[in-house]
Amino acid sequence: ETGVTQSPTHLIKTRGQQVTLRCSSQSGHNTVSWYQQALGQGPQFIFQYYREEENGRGNFPPRFSGLQFPNYSSELNVNALELDDSALYLCASSLGRTGQGTLHFGNGTRLTVT
Amino acid sequence: GIQVEQSPPDLILQEGANSTLRCNFSDSVNNLQWFHQNPWGQLINLFYIPSGTKQNGRLSATTVATERYSLLYISSSQTTDSGVYFCAVGASGAGSYQLTFGKGTKLSVIP
Repeated sequence: ETGVTQSPTHLIKTRGQQVTLRCSSQSGHNTVSWYQQALGQGPQFIFQYYREEENGRGNFPPRFSGLQFPNYSSELNVNALELDDSALYLCASSLGRTGQGTLHFGNGTRLTVT
Repeated sequence: GIQVEQSPPDLILQEGANSTLRCNFSDSVNNLQWFHQNPWGQLINLFYIPSGTKQNGRLSATTVATERYSLLYISSSQTTDSGVYFCAVGASGAGSYQLTFGKGTKLSVIP
């Protein structure tokens, strides 16, 4: 069974640039969630995709957007990067859309915005 | 939104000691998970426990949903238990995996 994989592991960008982070869900999982974890804080929910549609969004601006592909892998796109976007971005996969069940996290992408 | 409070914020243990971590939440939930985040940032699921009691080796967890709290017990602690322990909850009726995380308990186990 393949776990959740994320790429890249580290990334450095300049303020104002755009970034794309990628995630492959665990085998058999059809739901992908993205979380942002600032230093010293707990992860915060960005959004969730189920069968290629967004079905839940946290308190993040529209410049945070995403996609889910037919193979259930996903991308997180962030436009017009700000210094405060520097964080660990975590992808998690699960089965079903109801929110009842176990979330399995990848190792994350550490984004630094300078 | 739902509020999650974890205590204590920091905990230092001698190897071999036992500990109890607490998670209080403000509303009814349909999802509660305990995670361990190691120093490299990897977030590992320990328990999915919206209610009841579960055990896995030296770890066990109890959630009393009617009283809105959950406890994580660590027995015979080892240095590899060090890291941050998070409680995360999903509000009933949310219809998604929008989990709200607490601020975590940072555990340091010293030899």
